Amino acid sequence: TQLLEQSPQFLSIQEGENLTVYCNSSSVFSSLQWYRQEPGEGPVLLVTVVTGGEVKKLKRLTFQFGDARKDSSLHITAAQPGDTGLYLCAGEEGGGNKLTFGTGTQLKVEL
Amino acid sequence: EAGVAQSPRYKIIEKRQSVAFWCNPISGHATLYWYQQILGQGPKLLIQFQNNGVVDDSQLPKDRFSAERLKGVDSTLKIQPAKLEDSAVYLCASSLDRGPGYTFGSGTRLTVV
Repeated sequence: TQLLEQSPQFLSIQEGENLTVYCNSSSVFSSLQWYRQEPGEGPVLLVTVVTGGEVKKLKRLTFQFGDARKDSSLHITAAQPGDTGLYLCAGEEGGGNKLTFGTGTQLKVEL
Repeated sequence: EAGVAQSPRYKIIEKRQSVAFWCNPISGHATLYWYQQILGQGPKLLIQFQNNGVVDDSQLPKDRFSAERLKGVDSTLKIQPAKLEDSAVYLCASSLDRGPGYTFGSGTRLTVV
């Protein structure tokens, strides 16, 4: 089973600050996804990256897939309280449509 | 499009009792997953179905957990007997064979006392 380590585990920041969440593994993934989960709900897909070096932007969120497809990062610019939640990366093993989830990063954005 | 439906939302049982969870995936999604999520952690895959066949159940504690997906649509996950460490949120998700990602239900929060 592939292990996906996320850092930091917890992050508490003020509104307007920038932050980066990291997702690292020793294994290569065919694709990597990022989810956000709010209390009492299931994770919601934010983005899928499939090409090494790929960068995708979703409003204030920037996602990057490492060149070797072993790691990824999520950067949030000018964080807002609505960004609060548990951020999860998930790697897909080749061809199996099976995801292994990371350890999670709990983000809290305060006013 | 209707989402993934799960029930019940919450369940409290005593240890050694049995419990069952139900999931109705998005129509047309061939693949269905059950995940266990401990508070604040990432979900852990318990079982993956492709239509009504099991693709992966390597992390399912088969001495107490069982799951079925009749007719390749709805699925049930059962725990018998429950232990304290089974307290978690049980998430159901579905996907197309080559989809952009999973769609998760809201989960069932199980508390074993």
